[in-house]
Amino acid sequence: DGGITQSPKYLFRKEGQNVTLSCEQNLNHDAMYWYRQDPGQGLRLIYYSQIVNDFQKGDIAEGYSVSREKKESFPLTVTSAQKNPTAFYLCASNQGRTEAFFGQGTRLTVV
Amino acid sequence: DQQVKQNSPSLSVQEGRISILNCDYTNSMFDYFLWYKKYPAEGPTFLISISSIKDKNEDGRFTVFLNKSAKHLSLHIVPSQPGDSAVYFCAASDSTSYGKLTFGQGTILTVHP
Repeated sequence: DGGITQSPKYLFRKEGQNVTLSCEQNLNHDAMYWYRQDPGQGLRLIYYSQIVNDFQKGDIAEGYSVSREKKESFPLTVTSAQKNPTAFYLCASNQGRTEAFFGQGTRLTVV
Repeated sequence: DQQVKQNSPSLSVQEGRISILNCDYTNSMFDYFLWYKKYPAEGPTFLISISSIKDKNEDGRFTVFLNKSAKHLSLHIVPSQPGDSAVYFCAASDSTSYGKLTFGQGTILTVHP
């Protein structure tokens, strides 16, 4: 079964802590994306990667970091510099100009 | 700078009637448009897409219309079913951005039995 797997489904972060969200795909897609969803604001692009070892900032990259060491994996780190990290995070992938496939999301809450 | 806008936060429709969800865009470079459906605490799922060379695309109960001159697209669902109740997002991309999608804010559709 091809798809995108995000883990964990729920994540709690203490103030000042860095946390890493996992995203793995077995669709053999070149491009991967991280979006953030807040109520009433739709999906906003954090980072994206079109090939291995390369990535670009999206619209709201401040306080986040990513890596793309393998085609299948695109982890997102939410750093302590992100002042309002509580949100629903979605990872997606696609190949060229086709529809993007999404994972099931990770709900991050600051405690 | 919101390049894709869904101005109706919510829409309520009776089962069996038509649901019409609207989306406007400002970037004239957008040439590929998609609609996604999303349930709470889940990832969006792809519904239907349309290229700018067309003005209509149909898939079962779902039809997307594109008016390039008005920079407007709409999703029609006929007939609406209670299981269609979800958040609907429109998205767009342009040829210079590879597959990167820009999303609207979403519209919450509620279909009443």
